[in-house]
Amino acid sequence: DTEVTQTPKHLVMGMTNKKSLKCEQHMGHRAMYWYKQKAKKPPELMFVYSYEKLSINESVPSRFSPECPNSSLLNLHLHALQPEDSALYLCASSPQGGNTIYFGEGSWLTVV
Amino acid sequence: RKEVEQDPGPFNVPEGATVAFNCTYSNSASQSFFWYRQDCRKEPKLLMSVYSSGNEDGRFTAQLNRASQYISLLIRDSKLSDSATYLCVVNPGYSTLTFGKGTMLLVSP
Repeated sequence: DTEVTQTPKHLVMGMTNKKSLKCEQHMGHRAMYWYKQKAKKPPELMFVYSYEKLSINESVPSRFSPECPNSSLLNLHLHALQPEDSALYLCASSPQGGNTIYFGEGSWLTVV
Repeated sequence: RKEVEQDPGPFNVPEGATVAFNCTYSNSASQSFFWYRQDCRKEPKLLMSVYSSGNEDGRFTAQLNRASQYISLLIRDSKLSDSATYLCVVNPGYSTLTFGKGTMLLVSP
């Protein structure tokens, strides 16, 4: 079982809603990630936090806003999303950047 | 050239068969290599890291050829439960990993 916990597992939101995805890990990992995955595609990197600081933003639209409150938590704030943003959003962590990463079970997001 | 390339498959094999997947990578400075397994509508899970000397874990053998820049995964005595998508993952030397598009394996009775 994964030690990276994501909530909620499923989320349906309208295009005018504001919602957040949450991720938690207690493995002492210092790097945390958000990935987006569409059907039949590999995970696509969105953001990387290293030692609680944003180190990589893969040109993600501003309607996605990450936040790292502490070394164990990672949030993804969602606002004014589009239907094409519907996907599986995966949180992951690693002891440090570039090492083996461990994924959470993901949050299935549907934008209507 | 894509950074990490895999044959998407699907590979259809009967139970008990041996099947091999290859993956090529473009960045010769890549430092570490992995195989992940992803079941339908589930998260990717680490199957094994790949070392220069090759490594084996039960029915699974991974090998790395740095000169030719490819990685392989061999599955012996396939089980129905091996049916999944196998993702080749490479650390190109930056702080993140690069994923291949995955190879789908279907093991039939």
